[in-house]
Parts: sequence; structure tokens; C-alpha cells
Amino acid sequence: QSVLTQPPSVSGAPGQRVTISCTGSSSNIGAGSDVHWYQHFPGIVPKLLIYVNSNRPSGVPDRFSGSKSGTSASLTISGLQAEDEADYYCQTFDHSLNGYVFGPGTKVTVL
Amino acid sequence: EVQVLESGGGLVQPGGSLTLSCAASGFIFSRYAMSWVRQAPGKGLEWVSTFSGATTTTYYADSVKGRFTISRDNSKSTLYLQMNSLRAEDTAVYYCAKMAGHPYYSYYMDVWGKGTTVTVSS
Repeated sequence: QSVLTQPPSVSGAPGQRVTISCTGSSSNIGAGSDVHWYQHFPGIVPKLLIYVNSNRPSGVPDRFSGSKSGTSASLTISGLQAEDEADYYCQTFDHSLNGYVFGPGTKVTVL
Repeated sequence: EVQVLESGGGLVQPGGSLTLSCAASGFIFSRYAMSWVRQAPGKGLEWVSTFSGATTTTYYADSVKGRFTISRDNSKSTLYLQMNSLRAEDTAVYYCAKMAGHPYYSYYMDVWGKGTTVTVSS
């Protein structure tokens, strides 16, 4: 089990806004470790979506946004599109484990 | 173009060994931390190991500590993962990833390879 918690799945209709939470603890997110998000289509290479809590790499649509507060972080997709149907993972550093950790992943379904 | 390319995957018996390689290009390899991440069939992404860029600090997931060894040859721009005492649960696609960010507790994976498949089975 991961030290990070994500909902197994979220869904929404095209155009809707969905939010994926990533809950950690005082040994990772709450200790100041930044949170990063990845988009992963099965069989395809994972792609960096958000880095350092809220920054988008070049080429990532601005409908993707991230935030961090306390021991949690969240990824929001505003204006959901069919092409956004994928798995999304949060990632951070855990000081107790002295290593990097991924959340269990959230499958986004576009209805 | 910044890219990393894994090789060395294959079929190995339980208890066996395998070494993965990751050839990097398009960036100054020695300056960046590098990691291995894996995905077992039907499972999520799992961080495996990281080798720092500026120092010789290494990090390992508890699941591989004592069995896997990460190393790098900066003269060849290549990262390695020596895997010993392999178990069925090590079966996965292994990705090599370039790390970015600062300091180490803010590192993220900005460039990923296509992955190499390791199957541990008799």
C-alpha cells in the first residue's frame, strides 16, 4: 500500500470539472515535499503533467491545474475532454521512507 | 532531443539475476539524478530506485532494498539496475526516468524511457 491516498476512480461528462485528491501525511506532503502529477495511458510512457504542486510543463493544456495545502494536494481537470481518459498518479518524497512514492493512481473516465 | 532508452529486460527464473541499462542523450547526464520506476501487470506505478546527480547518494524502495543495486557511468551517460534474487512480484515494465527539480525532496521525473519488460517465471 502507498503512503499516499487517491480515489480509485473519478468520472465526468465532457466539459465538466473533475478533481483528484492526493492525501499524504506529515512525513511527506506535510513535511514540505512538493507534489507532482503524471498522466498515464495504458501501454504508453507516463507523462509529467504538473510539477512542483502547480506548474505545467510546456505543451500541457491549461485545463490541467494543481494545488497543495497541508498534507494534501489535488489535480483539477477543467473542461474534461474524451482524450483525458487515463490514469493519473501523484508523486512526492517521503522523509520516513527516505524515498520517492507514487499514489495508487486514479482512473479518469469520461462519460 | 532529450531522451533515455532502456535495454536488458527479458525472462529470468526466480532467484536469478538481470541487469538493466538506460542510455541517456541530449543532456549533461552527470548533472541529473536518475531513477527507475516499474509497473507490474494490472498495477500502478512504483518507484524503485534513484541515483543522485551531484553526489553518490542512492535511494531504494523497501521492496527491492538489499536485492537491487543502482549505479551509473557518467562517462557513458548510462544508468544501470542490477537485480538479484528476483521474485515473481518483480515482473514489470521497468522505466528509466531523468529527474528534475531541487532539492532532492522535490525531484520529479520529467523524461521517461519507453520501458523494458522483465518477467520472472520458471
